[in-house]
Amino acid sequence: NAGVTQTPKFQVLKTGQSMTLQCAQDMNHEYMSWYRQDPGMGLRLIHYSVGAGITDQGEVPNGYNVSRSTTEDFPLRLLSAAPSQTSVYFCASSPSGPVYGYTFGSGTRLTVV
Amino acid sequence: DQQVKQNSPSLSVQEGRISILNCDYTNSMFDYFLWYKKYPAEGPTFLISISSIKDKNEDGRFTVFLNKSAKHLSLHIVPSQPGDSAVYFCAAGAGNNRKLIWGLGTSLAVNP
Repeated sequence: NAGVTQTPKFQVLKTGQSMTLQCAQDMNHEYMSWYRQDPGMGLRLIHYSVGAGITDQGEVPNGYNVSRSTTEDFPLRLLSAAPSQTSVYFCASSPSGPVYGYTFGSGTRLTVV
Repeated sequence: DQQVKQNSPSLSVQEGRISILNCDYTNSMFDYFLWYKKYPAEGPTFLISISSIKDKNEDGRFTVFLNKSAKHLSLHIVPSQPGDSAVYFCAAGAGNNRKLIWGLGTSLAVNP
């Protein structure tokens, strides 16, 4: 039982480059979300999805896009990377919302130079 | 301004004793609270939750207490084990709002 799988684990980007962080879950969870964790800031919600075809913005959505074409996958796209996007990114899923507790992936550590 | 505060960045406890991690919140609209544990280089792991209609919830060695009048909750771990050494996050949410608000975490060290 893989749970939530994130790839890659580490990535270095140059300013202005784009990339996609992958997230897949095999638990048939409807709810998926992306967080970033920065020192002194705690976990902040970037985007979330309550089901296939439905996405919405979180606290810090600027510079990121998401889509949810299937229940399993929820990729996060960085459109034009900036040093301020250097962070650790976590994908999480839940049966139907954060009140039931998330299952998190192991994270992607992204550095933008 | 932080709506969820974990005022102790770190805590050290002897194996077998009780660990008490504290969390304060300012928004009276929060009606559910969760605790997560995080090891280095891993994602957070959900531990236990509590609804605002309850003042206590237990799961094995973990108990969460909620004091709504004081806007305070605490996580008790009894007995503490070395494997409990991790960062513990408190998070809060309100009704159908999908956005959890997280504290900054408390690093717990359980010494053998």
